[in-house]
Amino acid sequence: GAGVSQSPRYKVAKRGQDVALRCDPISGHVSLFWYQQALGQGPEFLTYFQNEAQLDKSGLPSDRFFAERPEGSVSTLKIQRTQQEDSAVYLCASSRLQETQYFGPGTRLLVL
Amino acid sequence: AQRVTQPEKLLSVFKGAPVELKCNYSYSGSPELFWYVQYSRQRLQLLLRHISRESIKGFTADLNKGETSFHLKKPFAQEEDSAMYYCALARGNKLVFGAGTILRVKS
Repeated sequence: GAGVSQSPRYKVAKRGQDVALRCDPISGHVSLFWYQQALGQGPEFLTYFQNEAQLDKSGLPSDRFFAERPEGSVSTLKIQRTQQEDSAVYLCASSRLQETQYFGPGTRLLVL
Repeated sequence: AQRVTQPEKLLSVFKGAPVELKCNYSYSGSPELFWYVQYSRQRLQLLLRHISRESIKGFTADLNKGETSFHLKKPFAQEEDSAMYYCALARGNKLVFGAGTILRVKS
């Protein structure tokens, strides 16, 4: 079956520009996660959804970061007024409740 | 604070040699630990989890609560094992990852 998909795969943004990253989870997975992976580091948790409810957003680094999952399926991570330090790979993962997380290919964001 | 430490950025071994990728964690409760692997140009995928106590692709990992370690081992490395390996700790619904170790298996 289809795995987690993310788009775009690559995004170059000018500093100050807003970006939107999309995640399509595996069908039927109620849990959805966003992680940020800086160069040379492991993924770091950003936020977690159970269906449409955002149950944990403790990892979002600033109020410029916003995530939504309005119908409990597709999710969008939005970054406003991008800064150079936002350059990273953004990973989405989905799972059945309390089960193994399956990761997408990631979106590589470069802020110039 | 929950933390996962992988002390080696790079581990280089010859084909057929034993492999041990180190992972140490700090966690106050009963930890749930995982190893994830990322092969070249592929996505991150689960290799094994400690609660299942299974061997995947010849890899095993034993949880040592006394040493707070969850080292990944394989008796005979193969070239196709070359990849980035991440140790991770479940904290509630989220995963806390180490920085990763690159395993390079030389022929």
